Amino acid sequence: SQTIHQWPATLVQPVGSPLSLECTVEGTSNPNLYWYRQAAGRGLQLLFYSVGIGQISSEVPQNLSASRPQDRQFILSSKKLLLSDSGFYLCAWSLMKGSLLGYGYTFGSGTRLTVV
Amino acid sequence: AQKITQTQPGMFVQEKEAVTLDCTYDTSDQSYGLFWYKQPSSGEMIFLIYQGSYDEQNATEGRYSLNFQKARKSANLVISASQLGDSAMYFCAMRLAGTYKYIFGTGTRLKVLA
Repeated sequence: SQTIHQWPATLVQPVGSPLSLECTVEGTSNPNLYWYRQAAGRGLQLLFYSVGIGQISSEVPQNLSASRPQDRQFILSSKKLLLSDSGFYLCAWSLMKGSLLGYGYTFGSGTRLTVV
Repeated sequence: AQKITQTQPGMFVQEKEAVTLDCTYDTSDQSYGLFWYKQPSSGEMIFLIYQGSYDEQNATEGRYSLNFQKARKSANLVISASQLGDSAMYFCAMRLAGTYKYIFGTGTRLKVLA
């Protein structure tokens, strides 16, 4: 069965420090991978998605970046965190290919980031 | 532009009663999918139910059903026989055929009262 791992679960980082959040998927190959951010009490904002190794699409310009060094690994990074980067970060994968609409996301358990 | 609107920021329901969470969507595409997700206080996002734009029957999954009214562009979630464990944030989402990303609404926080 497919599983998705995301870590760490909680992170407190000072302003200006770097960030690296990792997400890995097991039990599937060539998934579409996503990073979302959820500000407190708000909806989900798509940050990045990837349809293959080294292929990253950015949805929102900001000081975050994403990389996909392996098929089932997706990393969210920042060189210098801002206070506004605080939030709940969710990784997700999906096998939606072409017109197969019935595949929803499977989400990781999330990382709660507080920038202080 | 595609958009999902959830107009109820918060809802209360008595345990064992049914509740409807509203969702309207906006798209000019003919082929799309509509999804509902549940987010408990722990933060994980749980997939609940899916409705395709060409599906003629409303989707059902256990106590969850999706009231799909295509002409009105609405995809309301109905939870029957509410349980205390249903207290959570609920998100409606849409994906257009041939695209990779989902568009989420702002969510509805449901509180089930004992």
